[in-house]
Amino acid sequence: NAGVTQTPKFQVLKTGQSMTLQCAQDMNHNSMYWYRQDPGMGLRLIYYSASEGTTDKGEVPNGYNVSRLNKREFSLRLESAAPSQTSVYFCASTLDWAAYNEQFFGPGTRLTVL
Amino acid sequence: DAKTTQPNSMESNEEEPVHLPCNHSTISGTDYIHWYRQLPSQGPEYVIHGLTSNVNNRMASLAIAEDRKSSTLILHRATLRDAAVYYCILSRTSGTYKYIFGTGTRLKVLA
Repeated sequence: NAGVTQTPKFQVLKTGQSMTLQCAQDMNHNSMYWYRQDPGMGLRLIYYSASEGTTDKGEVPNGYNVSRLNKREFSLRLESAAPSQTSVYFCASTLDWAAYNEQFFGPGTRLTVL
Repeated sequence: DAKTTQPNSMESNEEEPVHLPCNHSTISGTDYIHWYRQLPSQGPEYVIHGLTSNVNNRMASLAIAEDRKSSTLILHRATLRDAAVYYCILSRTSGTYKYIFGTGTRLKVLA
């Protein structure tokens, strides 16, 4: 099992450009999440998908959109990148929505917006 | 939102036990207490979680206060590989899902 995979690992964008971050999990998990981590900070939840076919906003959703493509894949889109979106982005998944479940994280995507 | 408070940093000598404290005075009765750690340039990884009783697993132990307003992660014998940022998080079972990471405790292990 690869667990949670993310592509790309690194990306540099210019202000105003768009891009999609890809995430996939092979653990047959129902719930998936996108976080961002700014330098020296903890993770903040951007969007989540409790189950296939549903998505909801987290703590910091402005400037982002998501798509739960199928049970395995959950993508994060930046329509018009801004320097404030420079961050490390982590995707995670859990078996289901229950609060006691362990979250499995991907290796992250380091995004720089110039 | 459920919030946690942790010391910014701690140091420990190798092979000695480490007690990482966390305060969560706003915890509600159904909130789970989770601990994750993040090694440099990696995503967080699960360490342990609990609800009311103390918990043990192969990585660590979790001691939960009787009033549940605080908890302590115990690493029984710190190794250099345990140097990481440790996050204490509350996870709610109902309502809008919030799984909020604080700034965590950076653990330094001295050889």
